[in-house]
Amino acid sequence: SQQGEEDPQALSIQEGENATMNCSYKTSINNLQWYRQNSGRGLVHLILIRSNEREKHSGRLRVTLDTSKKSSSLLITASRAADTASYFCATEPGGSEKLVFGKGTKLTVNP
Amino acid sequence: DVKVTQSSRYLVKRTGEKVFLECVQDMDHENMFWYRQDPGLGLRLIYFSYDVKMKEKGDIPEGYSVSREKKERFSLILESASTNQTSMYLCASSPRYYTEAFFGQGTRLTVV
Repeated sequence: SQQGEEDPQALSIQEGENATMNCSYKTSINNLQWYRQNSGRGLVHLILIRSNEREKHSGRLRVTLDTSKKSSSLLITASRAADTASYFCATEPGGSEKLVFGKGTKLTVNP
Repeated sequence: DVKVTQSSRYLVKRTGEKVFLECVQDMDHENMFWYRQDPGLGLRLIYFSYDVKMKEKGDIPEGYSVSREKKERFSLILESASTNQTSMYLCASSPRYYTEAFFGQGTRLTVV
């Protein structure tokens, strides 16, 4: 079964707005990762946050992790049309190294 | 740059054929993965390998097998292709111990 579940399934915003996507997971983790996928292509790693971290930044990306609630959020600030893609969270549940993904959030940024 | 290369971008096979999907990585990564991606279902893990000749089943291994004879190459085998295996297949690799994975460009397989 899939470990992570992203919310919402789809999100449509205007350029310049912020986009927030959430991920919930089921079991203990070592870290949580976010990936991006442009239509029909492979995934690209965005950011990794370790279980002992609460917040991490990378450029216009901000990720938070709440291990007590088993949830994470990805914030993209000042979005651009080029941010249009699907975003996935991924974890390695239960100490294994199997990387398990959620179903993704499809983000559309309108010019 | 890390490169993960999948042998085909598009593939059309007939029901009952034995199908091989090949994946090669050039960064000496220990871990390699095979996923399938279907609309509304996200990425589902088929098999995972953490070393040569070592493999673990993922969430949906039925109808698939894998082979890892060399560290850089991880093959996904559909023993007898069926139409419900029509999907996008993604290969990935990563170093050991909880680090980022690198993906190939995907193989869109159609079984007719």
